[in-house]
Amino acid sequence: KAGVTQTPRYLIKTRGQQVTLSCSPISGHRSVSWYQQTPGQGLQFLFEYFSETQRNKGNFPGRFSGRQFSNSRSEMNVSTLELGDSALYLCASSSGEVNTEAFFGQGTRLTVV
Amino acid sequence: AQSVTQPDIHITVSEGASLELRCNYSYGATPYLFWYVQSPGQGLQLLLKYFSGDTLVQGIKGFEAEFKRSQSSFNLRKPSVHWSDAAEYFCAVGKYSGGGADGLTFGKGTHLIIQP
Repeated sequence: KAGVTQTPRYLIKTRGQQVTLSCSPISGHRSVSWYQQTPGQGLQFLFEYFSETQRNKGNFPGRFSGRQFSNSRSEMNVSTLELGDSALYLCASSSGEVNTEAFFGQGTRLTVV
Repeated sequence: AQSVTQPDIHITVSEGASLELRCNYSYGATPYLFWYVQSPGQGLQLLLKYFSGDTLVQGIKGFEAEFKRSQSSFNLRKPSVHWSDAAEYFCAVGKYSGGGADGLTFGKGTHLIIQP
């Protein structure tokens, strides 16, 4: 069974640009969550999608958005990039059911210059 | 709001010695608890989880953790560490165990260094 796949692995963008990150969950999983990891703030929850609907979101500005497709793949978009958006963005896949764990991808390393 | 505290930012252990990483959580109901490990530049790998039942849970790579409700703790242990255990360890708490509606709240992590 393939794991969680995130593309691209590395990305360099200029301040003010926008970026789209992709996550393909484990086959059969319907829940995809996104997390931002920085040295200063640690791991922070961005949002979670289940069956194409955003179920919950963390405390991030509206520049951070996401969506989920019918095949459960998810994309995360960040508009008007700021230097502080430089981070490792991790995607987690789960069935979304009770008593199941989340499996993480290897992440996308975004550097904003 | 839920929170997780990992009091030790860095821990250095000699290879072959025992290990205990501390985790304290704050949560108003029965928590779902997890330990993840992260190697440099990699994603998170689940070591073990606690949902309910037996408070001593076994995980992969010889790790175990004990849930103590009275102390709001979920400490990770290993009887004998190997050099390959050097990594960052994260404790996490979730309301929905699938990392679902309310997401997972992570501690700041403990960086484990293994001395030869």
